[in-house]
Amino acid sequence: QVQLQESGPGLVKPSETLSLTCSVSGVSISSYYWTWIRQPPGMGLEYIGYVYYSGTTNYSPSLKSRLTMSVDTSKNHLSLKLTSVTAADTAVYYCARNSGGFDLWGRGTLVTVSS
Amino acid sequence: QSVLTQPPSVSGAPGQRVTISCTGSSSNIGADYDVHWYQQLPGTAPKLLVSVNTNRPSGVPDRFHASKSGTSASLAITGLQAEDEADYYCQSHDSSLGGYVVFGGGTKLTVL
Repeated sequence: QVQLQESGPGLVKPSETLSLTCSVSGVSISSYYWTWIRQPPGMGLEYIGYVYYSGTTNYSPSLKSRLTMSVDTSKNHLSLKLTSVTAADTAVYYCARNSGGFDLWGRGTLVTVSS
Repeated sequence: QSVLTQPPSVSGAPGQRVTISCTGSSSNIGADYDVHWYQQLPGTAPKLLVSVNTNRPSGVPDRFHASKSGTSASLAITGLQAEDEADYYCQSHDSSLGGYVVFGGGTKLTVL
């Protein structure tokens, strides 16, 4: 059974860096593209970007200057780093598998940006 | 402001048919990108529900049907059930944004 699990600090201070990990089990991370999506409280879904095991990335234009995504094939997980966060970055962050649509999602992790 | 436009809410009685529209433009839906629909039950992660021109994921009932015409797409739900009450999102790509993923703003379905 394929599962995705996001993890990271639930609280980040403004101007600091948000770091999240998505652990993938049940399938090799090298087999798919992997996407990060976020959802501010009470709002809709926002595409953050995708990453492939080769290092290929595609970032949302609105976040590109602050964003880094990577894959660790030895641990079968992917990472997201978002720098200089503000309250506008408060959201539930999801990782998802891209297979003709996002066919598998993690449960999401809430990140709150606050001092 | 979302690139894809959905009505904020729709409603219907049990057993009825409802449709949710997703209006785009010539740079996304009209550019023949695939359109996917997601269902998000309260407090849970979104789930891929159905896609235009592809098979329904395993476990999704055939009461859910996706279609598209020109620059718009639709999700039709027949035989409405109480468990269908959720938020629904359409998703595609947009060539004016380098092929990036775009989502609709979401539609809240209320089963009366």
